[in-house]
Amino acid sequence: GAGVSQSPSNKVTEKGKDVELRCDPISGHTALYWYRQRLGQGLEFLIYFQGNSAPDKSGLPSDRFSAERTGESVSTLTIQRTQQEDSAVYLCASSLAGIDAYNYEQYFGPGTRLTVT
Amino acid sequence: DQQVKQNSPSLSVQEGRISILNCDYTNSMFDYFLWYKKYPAEGPTFLISISSIKDKNEDGRFTVFLNKSAKHLSLHIVPSQPGDSAVYFCAASYNYQLIWGAGTKLIIKP
Repeated sequence: GAGVSQSPSNKVTEKGKDVELRCDPISGHTALYWYRQRLGQGLEFLIYFQGNSAPDKSGLPSDRFSAERTGESVSTLTIQRTQQEDSAVYLCASSLAGIDAYNYEQYFGPGTRLTVT
Repeated sequence: DQQVKQNSPSLSVQEGRISILNCDYTNSMFDYFLWYKKYPAEGPTFLISISSIKDKNEDGRFTVFLNKSAKHLSLHIVPSQPGDSAVYFCAASYNYQLIWGAGTKLIIKP
């Protein structure tokens, strides 16, 4: 069956440009998460969506980062005026879990490798 | 402030032997712990989990042990197989957030 998909798989951009990363979650999954993994580091939580609302955006590193979600469907993570420290793999995951649920299994996409030159 | 720590960046184990991956945490509010496995160029895949009310959970070759007093959990893989070579992430949950360790790269030697 269809899993979580992300596009593009690789993105190279110049410092200062804006980028948009896309995530298509598993159909029916109400929760959607964005993570970032820098080289040699663990997964860093960025933002969580329950439906199309984001109860917690505190993981976003700066105001250059924003994310949207359309209903319980596709989400986009936008990074404005990219900096070299934004270079990382950006992972999206979806889950049946909501705030009050106890099913914590998250299904991950393959990630988007972002390189800012 | 790393709330979830995997202190071994890598581990090498002979095929057929037991692999033991360790994870320490600092937040006593964590109520659920998970292990994920990640191959290169792929997203992490769920492996096994354990609730904070249990001290052991077993699934085939994989067993997770939780020691709440020590704030420590471990993943045992026995017997280790070549396909187990991957990066293993420990994650701890509180509310909707998963806090992740940095991962341990497991290499299974033939």
